Amino acid sequence: NAGVTQTPKFQVLKTGQSMTLQCAQDMNHNSMYWYRQDPGMGLRLIYYSASEGTTDKGEVPNGYNVSRLNKREFSLRLESAAPSQTSVYFCASSEALRPFGYTFGSGTRLTVV
Amino acid sequence: AQSVAQPEDQVNVAEGNPLTVKCTYSVSGNPYLFWYVQYPNRGLQFLLKYITGDNLVKGSYGFEAEFNKSQTSFHLKKPSALVSDSALYFCAVRDMGSNYQLIWGAGTKLIIKP
Repeated sequence: NAGVTQTPKFQVLKTGQSMTLQCAQDMNHNSMYWYRQDPGMGLRLIYYSASEGTTDKGEVPNGYNVSRLNKREFSLRLESAAPSQTSVYFCASSEALRPFGYTFGSGTRLTVV
Repeated sequence: AQSVAQPEDQVNVAEGNPLTVKCTYSVSGNPYLFWYVQYPNRGLQFLLKYITGDNLVKGSYGFEAEFNKSQTSFHLKKPSALVSDSALYFCAVRDMGSNYQLIWGAGTKLIIKP
């Protein structure tokens, strides 16, 4: 089925460890996004990529890096994980950079201990 | 400051009854408003949007929302609830300082009891 695929679905890290969250979409969308979702809060944008080859910071970029590997793939890296990064991470894509028409992945639940 | 509020953490409704999930917003200018739904262990799915036009917007799965400019509200409604409507619902508004970013509410858990 067409959509956005995220891996892994669950991950537990120790403080200071690094990891990369993977995201791939097969809808030929140009724009991709990484959000985090915390209890009692709405989604917050971490980074986005308007098109292949470009990336920009969102609302909460500190502690993260991203790579737009090609049109399909957009990865999120935590270089040195902190407990404050415990969250559910969602990748999304859209045809163009705009505030609607998002397709979301099913999320990665990350716990940093 | 721009914001979106979903005043109810949880809404409980009996199956077959009408449901309302509330959303109010605070932005300058003409808002773009959205509702998304998140089923357990799934990503968010788009339900409906208001950009301009008729204040009553119809969306997926029988949901609709009413835009009320004077009350700065965009409540989600359905005439007859189904158990399968149980999920987490998010309201969002376009960030007026951006042409793409959304400001999200904290979400409302909707529980439909048989």
